[in-house]
Amino acid sequence: GENVEQHPSTLSVQEGDSAVIKCTYSDSASNYFPWYKQELGKRPQLIIDIRSNVGEKKDQRIAVTLNKTAKHFSLHITETQPEDSAVYFCAASRNSNSGYALNFGKGTSLLVTP
Amino acid sequence: SAVISQKPSRDICQRGTSLTIQCQVDSQVTMMFWYRQQPGQSLTLIATANQGSEATYESGFVIDKFPISRPNLTFSTLTVSNMSPEDSSIYLCSVEDRRREETQYFGPGTRLLVL
Repeated sequence: GENVEQHPSTLSVQEGDSAVIKCTYSDSASNYFPWYKQELGKRPQLIIDIRSNVGEKKDQRIAVTLNKTAKHFSLHITETQPEDSAVYFCAASRNSNSGYALNFGKGTSLLVTP
Repeated sequence: SAVISQKPSRDICQRGTSLTIQCQVDSQVTMMFWYRQQPGQSLTLIATANQGSEATYESGFVIDKFPISRPNLTFSTLTVSNMSPEDSSIYLCSVEDRRREETQYFGPGTRLLVL
């Protein structure tokens, strides 16, 4: 089955700096890669996603890049703010008889200090 | 995105008992998913619930322990049976987006503590 590795497990940056979180996946058939943000006590919220036919996608301060050959994808957050502090999860999925079931990385706890 | 609710939001249960968690969505969806998030951990898929068919379970999860119902296109239940303290987790349902089936949105979760 799919195995998603995520690094680093914790990340501390100063406000205004950039943060980068990296994930690798094992199943070459995976074709959809979402990123979720989970604040303490809250549900995971989808913040950005990318399909395998696209190499990069950007939404304001957030961007995701995908390298299909190397089977890795990354989340980039620029001009970080304290409210970006949360746990971020990457995931990989592909269509199957069970729909697009998500395989999650272990998460990255991001702390943005003022 | 769809509006998803779960009941109960939290519960404290005694070992050996069972708890049924409900997931309600405000629009019709084909696929609903159940995930478990153990304390401080990532999310693990338990099973996929497709209306009108048996749920599909992931490795390590069995129907006797986690029976699932999917009676219609807006509702599903997950039962945690014969609970032990190791079942203490957050249980989350998710639904696929109607227009982009690969996209999933999560319910608020059910926090379960088993004593």
